[in-house]
Amino acid sequence: KNEVEQSPQNLTAQEGEFITINCSYSVGISALHWLQQHPGGGIVSLFMLSSGKKKHGRLIATINIQEKHSSLHITASHPRDSAVYICAVITNTGNQFYFGTGTSLTVIP
Amino acid sequence: GAGVSQSPSNKVTEKGKDVELRCDPISGHTALYWYRQSLGQGLEFLIYFQGNSAPDKSGLPSDRFSAERTGGSVSTLTIQRTQQEDSAVYLCASSLGQRYSPLHFGNGTRLTVT
Repeated sequence: KNEVEQSPQNLTAQEGEFITINCSYSVGISALHWLQQHPGGGIVSLFMLSSGKKKHGRLIATINIQEKHSSLHITASHPRDSAVYICAVITNTGNQFYFGTGTSLTVIP
Repeated sequence: GAGVSQSPSNKVTEKGKDVELRCDPISGHTALYWYRQSLGQGLEFLIYFQGNSAPDKSGLPSDRFSAERTGGSVSTLTIQRTQQEDSAVYLCASSLGQRYSPLHFGNGTRLTVT
């Protein structure tokens, strides 16, 4: 049983397309992270959110606490957005993180 | 400013040897996590340190794995009698340890057991 489920696992898009990656979780959380991992690279935190919506450039993250669901949107996608996007939640019972298995995004020029 | 630093960045070792992986968290971060990521797999939790509390070792896969954190700062993950299935990227992350603190990752140590 995975505490965090992501979909899709793999996604290929044409440059310029609007992209949505979904994350559902089954545990009580205090916050949710969206992380980005480039091939062979490290992991960077894109967003941390506990309610509502956050926007940074072409990236938008939303969360619905009641439905235990979050989405990461990329507008006007670009080949440099190609990476693995990982959803991670921190439980409200401690400081434990649970991770989704990631969504591998490829944006084709 | 300085981020989370891990060393070495790559380590190749023979099966049966012991290895030590090091993590320098961001200064002032009280929470430190070790994860590993096998090829094509998601992140697997190993161990969590928070301040002076006893570490959460629930993710360590066997008693060959151990970790310590000295002085609340630097952490060392030790794998004894390495096996080929230990080959993975070992990632360290740190945070301020508060509920809404962002998580900062190091670049990882790629361990290859031959």
